[in-house]
Amino acid sequence: SQTIHQWPATLVQPVGSPLSLECTVEGTSNPNLYWYRQAAGRGLQLLFYSVGIGQISSEVPQNLSASRPQDRQFILSSKKLLLSDSGFYLCAWSYWPPGLADSTDTQYFGPGTRLTVL
Amino acid sequence: LAKTTQPISMDSYEGQEVNITCSHNNIATNDYITWYQQFPSQGPRFIIQGYKTKVTNEVASLFIPADRKSSTLSLPRVSLSDTAVYYCLVGKAAGNKLTFGGGTRVLVKP
Repeated sequence: SQTIHQWPATLVQPVGSPLSLECTVEGTSNPNLYWYRQAAGRGLQLLFYSVGIGQISSEVPQNLSASRPQDRQFILSSKKLLLSDSGFYLCAWSYWPPGLADSTDTQYFGPGTRLTVL
Repeated sequence: LAKTTQPISMDSYEGQEVNITCSHNNIATNDYITWYQQFPSQGPRFIIQGYKTKVTNEVASLFIPADRKSSTLSLPRVSLSDTAVYYCLVGKAAGNKLTFGGGTRVLVKP
């Protein structure tokens, strides 16, 4: 079975400090990977998605970046955190079978990282 | 991208059926409709997915009319543990940038 891990679970960082959040998936190959952010009491905002190693699409221009150094590893980074970066960060994966024309993208989410920037 | 509209919140009582309707007037021909459930401080969890008519699993039912411009998630005999936020999403392809709206906050009372 597939599992998705995120760490750390919680993080408190000062403004201007760097950030690195990691997400790994087990039990599948070539997954699609996603980073979302959720502000308190709000819906999820898609930040980045990746359909393969080194392939990153950004949805929201900001001071965050993402990288996919390995097939099942997705990293969210920042060089200098802002107060507005506080939130609940979720990683998700999905799988799109090659050659399957008519399907859908069910996403499976990790446990999340709660980031507080002070 | 198809935009969805759902009620902000709904209250119910244990043992009742909860129906949440989602509007998606500009759904595309090849879009599927997916519902997720999210508990506080957890990631959303897939509940059910459908394309047309009715889909049922061990957790819920999904009713989709012929024009597919709306869908209704039905939770039978809810319990306190069904208190959560429920999201309706419309989309298809991988990396399709599925958009999570504000969701519907369901509160189940004893």
